[in-house]
Amino acid sequence: EDKVVQSPLSLVVHEGDTVTLNCSYEVTNFRSLLWYKQEKKAPTFLFMLTSSGIEKKSGRLSSILDKKELFSILNITATQTGDSAVYLCAVVLTNTGNQFYFGTGTSLTVIP
Amino acid sequence: KAGVTQTPRYLIKTRGQQVTLSCSPISGHRSVSWYQQTPGQGLQFLFEYFSETQRNKGNFPGRFSGRQFSNSRSEMNVSTLELGDSALYLCASSLDLPGQGYYGYTFGSGTRLTVV
Repeated sequence: EDKVVQSPLSLVVHEGDTVTLNCSYEVTNFRSLLWYKQEKKAPTFLFMLTSSGIEKKSGRLSSILDKKELFSILNITATQTGDSAVYLCAVVLTNTGNQFYFGTGTSLTVIP
Repeated sequence: KAGVTQTPRYLIKTRGQQVTLSCSPISGHRSVSWYQQTPGQGLQFLFEYFSETQRNKGNFPGRFSGRQFSNSRSEMNVSTLELGDSALYLCASSLDLPGQGYYGYTFGSGTRLTVV
């Protein structure tokens, strides 16, 4: 059975800290891994990773994929209270169209 | 440009009733997918529609169904509601370009369904 596991389940940090969120997967026919941020309702897109070892960056956020060890990490540096959200990892397979397999998410709380 | 629009935003229904939720995709997007989000299970795939045809289906009972219209708008229906169907129902639309099917995959804000 295809599985996506995120850790930790929740995290509380102080503003300015750096955090690393983990996503591991056990799937057949892997195509891509995506990260989303969900603050209230609609998850918003952060990164899509298809190739191993290539870091994607957007401001203070970065992410990398390791297809050999089957995991991805999402790093957030110099955290701000606005980073408080649930971070979701999703895997897309080659043979299931646009079906995304999501992990249960990591809830990040950044306190001032 | 307008995003993915889901209606209604909130809904309260009684056990045994049925409910219909609507999703209007971003203009030009032809693929619409539906997800159920609950605190314990996270986001779980319900089904995907493309060009009015169901292309993929998740592991949900037959009480959950959907359809897509020629303008790509989609509806999902849940019959004989159970307490466990209380959840946030999200839809997502995408361009479905060849070779990058989920390009521009964008979620709506969801419909919060409460079954009492």
